[in-house]
Amino acid sequence: AQKVTQAQTEISVVEKEDVTLDCVYETRDTTYYLFWYKQPPSGELVFLIRRNSFDEQNEISGRYSWNFQKSTSSFNFTITASQVVDSAVYFCALSEHNAGNNRKLIWGLGTSLAVNP
Amino acid sequence: DTEVTQTPKHLVMGMTNKKSLKCEQHMGHRAMYWYKQKAKKPPELMFVYSYEKLSINESVPSRFSPECPNSSLLNLHLHALQPEDSALYLCASSQEDGSTYEQYFGPGTRLTVT
Repeated sequence: AQKVTQAQTEISVVEKEDVTLDCVYETRDTTYYLFWYKQPPSGELVFLIRRNSFDEQNEISGRYSWNFQKSTSSFNFTITASQVVDSAVYFCALSEHNAGNNRKLIWGLGTSLAVNP
Repeated sequence: DTEVTQTPKHLVMGMTNKKSLKCEQHMGHRAMYWYKQKAKKPPELMFVYSYEKLSINESVPSRFSPECPNSSLLNLHLHALQPEDSALYLCASSQEDGSTYEQYFGPGTRLTVT
């Protein structure tokens, strides 16, 4: 069965700290896609990254980086030198290539990140 | 320009009212989605439109009625809602309907049913 687990419900850090948000997934499909979304208090879900199952290269975008490890079924997200504007709920999600009519994003429960000044 | 717009931002309605939520995207995307999100929960998929045709209905009660007038517009018609339908309603779009594509979300409509 497909599942996404974000074990950290809430994280609180002080500005400039590095923080890693964990995401572990389960799927039987060999082709799948992983996503991270950010939801600030305003409510809009902001797309951050998509990674397909054949691309295990880590990605860096400014202060954001992602570590995809198929061996541990994890797709972790690190924010370096966190800022107050990073305060948000972060969702990890999975979609399977062969889901057919059940195709939809499988969401984790989200991690609420509070960055304090 | 990755932008999805939604109106209204906030809506308060009684259980006997009829109202509509509107969503628009100008990214040339061919798939559009409605989600419902309760506080501190991930979004729940309600409907998917692909090329202006309804392709997925996640067993949503008939008091929610979607409509896709054209490839840029998506409406959600509301009638005889219940207080438990109070939530954030999010619209999203993607290039196509399929697992490959990331979805871009609008800012949502915060609905309160009294």
